[in-house]
Amino acid sequence: AQTVTQSQPEMSVQEAETVTLSCTYDTSESDYYLFWYKQPPSRQMILVIRQEAYKQQNATENRFSVNFQKAAKSFSLKISDSQLGDAAMYFCAYRAPNRDDKIIFGKGTRLHILP
Amino acid sequence: DVKVTQSSRYLVKRTGEKVFLECVQDMDHENMFWYRQDPGLGLRLIYFSYDVKMKEKGDIPEGYSVSREKKERFSLILESASTNQTSMYLCASSLTGMNHGGELFFGEGSRLTVL
Repeated sequence: AQTVTQSQPEMSVQEAETVTLSCTYDTSESDYYLFWYKQPPSRQMILVIRQEAYKQQNATENRFSVNFQKAAKSFSLKISDSQLGDAAMYFCAYRAPNRDDKIIFGKGTRLHILP
Repeated sequence: DVKVTQSSRYLVKRTGEKVFLECVQDMDHENMFWYRQDPGLGLRLIYFSYDVKMKEKGDIPEGYSVSREKKERFSLILESASTNQTSMYLCASSLTGMNHGGELFFGEGSRLTVL
């Protein structure tokens, strides 16, 4: 069965610094999709970034980028120039191919931004 | 803008009461989901619907039922609420397949307390 592991329940970073959130997953599939979602306090969860497993190039969205290591089954999120608005719960998620319902979430990492 | 609306942000109910949680999306999405979010456990899928009147059990369907009579509306029903159902409930929707990126769109959540 597929699993997603986020080993850091909480992290803190100084404003303007860079932080990396870790995520590992387990699957026997060769093609799948990975996501990072952000859930700010008392606000709805939104997509930060997605990665398709067949693409070797790491996805980037402005200050957010991923380090996708397919062989190691690792999918970390790097946030550059951290801002106070980045404080949130971050969830890593795996989506199986051809399965709209098979989306597995990690347990989340709470990120604190220190002013 | 894409919108998923959950009818109640906060509810307090008594043990044994019947509880309805409503979710409406305005994006003409085929798929709708109900998740339960608990600290340290991440998001767990309760039920999934891929079409009107169609539903699939998720990982933790016990004690819950769902209704999807119209494409835009997906209701979660607790027939007889119990204290262990105190939680945050998240509704989400998505298009079918990965042609549009497979993104889930979430509502703001309904925090249910059962006394």
